[in-house]
Amino acid sequence: EVQLVESGGGLIQPGRSLRLSCVASGFNFRDYAMRWVRLPPGKGLEWVSVITWNGDMIGYADSVKGRFTTSRDNTKNSLYLQMNSLRVEDTALYYCSTSSDALDIWGQGTMVTVSS
Amino acid sequence: DVVMTQSPLSLPVTLGQPASISCRSSQSLVSSDGKTHLNWFQQRPGQSPRRLMYKVSKRDSGVPDRFSGNGSGTDFTLKFSRVEAEDVGVYYCMQGTHWPKTFGQGTKLEI
Repeated sequence: EVQLVESGGGLIQPGRSLRLSCVASGFNFRDYAMRWVRLPPGKGLEWVSVITWNGDMIGYADSVKGRFTTSRDNTKNSLYLQMNSLRVEDTALYYCSTSSDALDIWGQGTMVTVSS
Repeated sequence: DVVMTQSPLSLPVTLGQPASISCRSSQSLVSSDGKTHLNWFQQRPGQSPRRLMYKVSKRDSGVPDRFSGNGSGTDFTLKFSRVEAEDVGVYYCMQGTHWPKTFGQGTKLEI
């Protein structure tokens, strides 16, 4: 079964750090660029970051640039999002996802709540 | 950044009737390879997003043919030939041509 499973979310205080993980199965993870997308409560989808198949190119939304770092380990079929200096406005359901002409896969999401 | 503007933001519809959602980009979405990377996503209540269309008009596997997409340059449309109850949710356009990628604000379809 083609699947993405996120983990690592939780309640965290502003200014602290959190690391999200996403494990892929059922497809050749190493062949695909991967992205993080978030859904803040009561708002719309926001593209967060993308990383190429081999990690040589990484892009970020302006809202997270300099605070978030995306990485991947193709030997572990895993994608990561290191989130530093978290803000209240980073509160959201975080999805990992990939799309190509042939497929479109989303995880179930992991909730990050930034609050004091 | 490329701004994606959807209209309407709320779309009340009648079952069995047609409907459409507009999406406009602040820059042309034609890429250097000549392709237009405009996608449409559906997010049903309580579910993860799901892509419906890519490259403007290519339907994803399993997507009913009552969904269609068209447009070019900066103006795009997602059309429903007839709305069904399972179509309730929020619809987003997303451009994949320019970095950073950007979504529209979302259109909430309600029966």
